[in-house]
This record gives sequence, structure tokens and C-alpha cells, in this order.
Amino acid sequence: LAKTTQPISMDSYEGQEVNITCSHNNIATNDYITWYQQFPSQGPRFIIQGYKTKVTNEVASLFIPADRKSSTLSLPRVSLSDTAVYYCLVGVPSNTGTASKLTFGTGTRLQVTL
Amino acid sequence: GAVVSQHPSWVICKSGTSVKIECRSLDFQATTMFWYRQFPKQSLMLMATSNEGSKATYEQGVEKDKFLINHASLTLSTLTVTSAHPEDSSFYICSARDPTSGRMEDEQFFGPGTRLTVL
Repeated sequence: LAKTTQPISMDSYEGQEVNITCSHNNIATNDYITWYQQFPSQGPRFIIQGYKTKVTNEVASLFIPADRKSSTLSLPRVSLSDTAVYYCLVGVPSNTGTASKLTFGTGTRLQVTL
Repeated sequence: GAVVSQHPSWVICKSGTSVKIECRSLDFQATTMFWYRQFPKQSLMLMATSNEGSKATYEQGVEKDKFLINHASLTLSTLTVTSAHPEDSSFYICSARDPTSGRMEDEQFFGPGTRLTVL
């Protein structure tokens, strides 16, 4: 399983764009990159997943360079409610009925203030 | 989207007693569920993979006789912490995947977690 490295913490003001970068130098050819968000005392929640280039959904964008050795989660105009821990995971999504084992790294603790 | 529930949401018990935590997939059948443990300010650590109708697969360092996992049906997996001690106090989270969905968002749904405090 590819190891991931993220900043331990980040601070932002409300309304700013936040970019969290994750390094995964040993990513394998079949690996996808998935980001989860976790609020205190809650289970993680899926944010976005991608394989290469750029993926955008209603809450975030994911930028993946050509070498795929890193990825950047971009949160546009964060609010106080975006204060959470963000985890970057690398692995092969399941295309069968069986779920894939996920390995969580340290995550990035994002603190948004006024 | 699919929902995974856990019960109880929190529990306090005396040292030496056993505690059972339930994980249910509410609107889908999950052949595989996962159990994680999370200590304060730390990341999630996978404890075991729960397979319906068969024995669970435990991660290295996790005592299978202490953390009993039963996956008796496609919608229910239970984790029993036997002879709990204060060091077992933690946040326990389960997850499952909806196998009928082809959406990447459904890769894995996590339960809300159960906070166990052992006195």
C-alpha cells in the first residue's frame, strides 16, 4: 500500500480557498486517490476521488499531476463548518461486491476561523 | 446515499466487563465490513475485516480473542470488546460498501462511531 504524507495542520480564514497537498511517491499504476473528511466524534465522509488530471464535484476539486506522485485537494471559499481533519488515501477501488481495505495516514487538521 | 449505523453511540463500562458494538447497513447488504479504532488526535487504525458468514481477518497486533467480531448477516456486524480495560477506551468506527452501487462515492460508508470509555 502506498504511503501518504500530508501536512499535520493548516489554518485558514473563512472565505479563502484552501489547498491541501498529499505526497504519495510510491503510488501504483492501478491506485486511485481518495480524500475523506472527518469531523470530531464522527466517521469519515467521502469527499472526492480521482486517478489523474483534475476532478471537480460540488464540494471540492482534486488536482493530480501527470506523475501522480502527489495530489492537491482544493476547497473553494471555506467556511467555519469546514473545520475538520482531511485524509488522503491511495489504493485500488473495488469493482466487485467486496470492499477494499483502506489505510488512513495522519491526515491534515484544518482550522477555519473568522 | 447508503447509511451505516452503529449502536450504541457511546458506552461507559467497568474494567473487566464485555461490551458489544453493533454496525448495521440500513439500506444495502454488505458482504464485507471493516472495524477501525481511533484514539484522540490520532488517525483511524484498521482492526479487522469482517466477512459475512466467515471468520474475521485481523490486522497485525490486534488480539482476535479480545476483539470478537461476528458478521452473522449481510446487514449486521458486531464487535465485542471482551474483558475491557481502560486502555481499550477509544472511538470505534465501522464501515461498509454498497456493492450494488457503481458510484465512487459509495466506495465505503462509515458509521458514526461508538465512543467506549472503560473505567
